[in-house]
Amino acid sequence: AQSVSQHNHHVILSEAASLELGCNYSYGGTVNLFWYVQYPGQHLQLLLKYFSGDPLVKGIKGFEAEFIKSKFSFNLRKPSVQWSDTAEYFCAVNANQAGTALIFGKGTTLSVSS
Amino acid sequence: KAGVTQTPRYLIKTRGQQVTLSCSPISGHRSVSWYQQTPGQGLQFLFEYFSETQRNKGNFPGRFSGRQFSNSRSEMNVSTLELGDSALYLCASSQLGLAISTDTQYFGPGTRLTVL
Repeated sequence: AQSVSQHNHHVILSEAASLELGCNYSYGGTVNLFWYVQYPGQHLQLLLKYFSGDPLVKGIKGFEAEFIKSKFSFNLRKPSVQWSDTAEYFCAVNANQAGTALIFGKGTTLSVSS
Repeated sequence: KAGVTQTPRYLIKTRGQQVTLSCSPISGHRSVSWYQQTPGQGLQFLFEYFSETQRNKGNFPGRFSGRQFSNSRSEMNVSTLELGDSALYLCASSQLGLAISTDTQYFGPGTRLTVL
């Protein structure tokens, strides 16, 4: 069965620090990869996604992620975090041709202090 | 464009009762998916409907069911509620069910179900 692992449960950073959140998945076939964010009291919203092509994808608010197929990884990065990035971040996988079913990781809570 | 809407936003039920939750997708979206979010299990896929047909189902008991209407609105039903069904139930819609890279799944605010 497919699964998604997010290595960090809670990350605490100061403003301007760099961020990298790890995500690994287990599935041997073609996958589509996503990072979603849930700000306090708000809906889940899409940060970025990878379907094919350039493995380095850029999303909203300065986030980017790199797909490394050989490592089954899709890590999220941001060079300089802001207090407003405080939120919960979810990595998700969709097996190609499986409809919209997303398999989510357990999430990483990011706390940014000003 | 209005986003995904879910009603009701909050619900309190007792064990053994049944409940129906409603989701209105973004206009023009044909795919609706449902997820359960709990602190322990995280986000788990329940099922997906596309053009009124269930296209995909997660690993949940038969007490969880759903349907989609011709206007793409969807309902999910949970019968014989258990304490463990307390969760945030999220609905998401997309135009084509992620069939192409330009398709995106948008989530609603969720319905918070508490089972006493």
